[in-house]
Amino acid sequence: ETGVTQTPRHLVMGMTNKKSLKCEQHLGHNAMYWYKQSAKKPLELMFVYNFKEQTENNSVPSRFSPECPNSSHLFLHLHTLQPEDSALYLCASSQEGSGNEQFFGPGTRLTVL
Amino acid sequence: AQSVSQHNHHVILSEAASLELGCNYSYGGTVNLFWYVQYPGQHLQLLLKYFSGDPLVKGIKGFEAEFIKSKFSFNLRKPSVQWSDTAEYFCAVNAWNQGGKLIFGQGTELSVKP
Repeated sequence: ETGVTQTPRHLVMGMTNKKSLKCEQHLGHNAMYWYKQSAKKPLELMFVYNFKEQTENNSVPSRFSPECPNSSHLFLHLHTLQPEDSALYLCASSQEGSGNEQFFGPGTRLTVL
Repeated sequence: AQSVSQHNHHVILSEAASLELGCNYSYGGTVNLFWYVQYPGQHLQLLLKYFSGDPLVKGIKGFEAEFIKSKFSFNLRKPSVQWSDTAEYFCAVNAWNQGGKLIFGQGTELSVKP
C-alpha cells in the first residue's frame, strides 16, 4: 500500500468513550501531522512530530493525546470528547523542514454524540 | 500570528470561463506558499508551490499562481476551467523558520457547470 492511510474512516463515539485514530505513511517521511477540518473553517494544525518527537502542540485540549511510536505511525487517542469535537481529522506526512510538500490521508470522520 | 485569508468562499463558473481565486497572508518574513486541492471524495493534494525565484508558478492541470510580495498575495488562476475542476481549493503558508508548520486558509469551493 502506498501513501498515507487512516483508520477508521468513520467513527461515532459517546462523550465517555475512549477511542484511537491511526495513521500510517508508506513514503519514508520523517515528519507527521494531525489536522482538524471543521465545516467552513480553515484546517487547524493540531500536532507536529519530527523524527518521532513532538515539536508542535497547537493549544490542543488534553482530551486529545497523540502518540508517535515510529516515523511511519501516528495515533490520536481520544477521551471524553465533546460534541464540538466532531470533525474530519486528517493526518499528513512530509520530509522534515520547511517548504516540503505534505501528503494527506483520507481522514477520519468523527462524530461525538 | 500568521493567518491566511481566502476571500471567495464559493465560486460558480461555467466551463471555459477563466478562474482567479484570491489568497492573502499575513507574515512579514520569508514564506513558502502552496495551493492544495480536494476533489470530491478524494484526499487533499498539492496543486503547486512557490519557494523562491520566478513569482509565476505553474502547477498541474493548467493551474498557475502568482506571488506578489508587496501585496502578500498568492492568487490561483486558470484560463479555462473544466467541469472536472469542481473541488475545494486551499491556500497555505509556511514560514521559512517554522519547519513544516502549514497555516491554511478556509478554502474556496469551486463549482463548474457543464
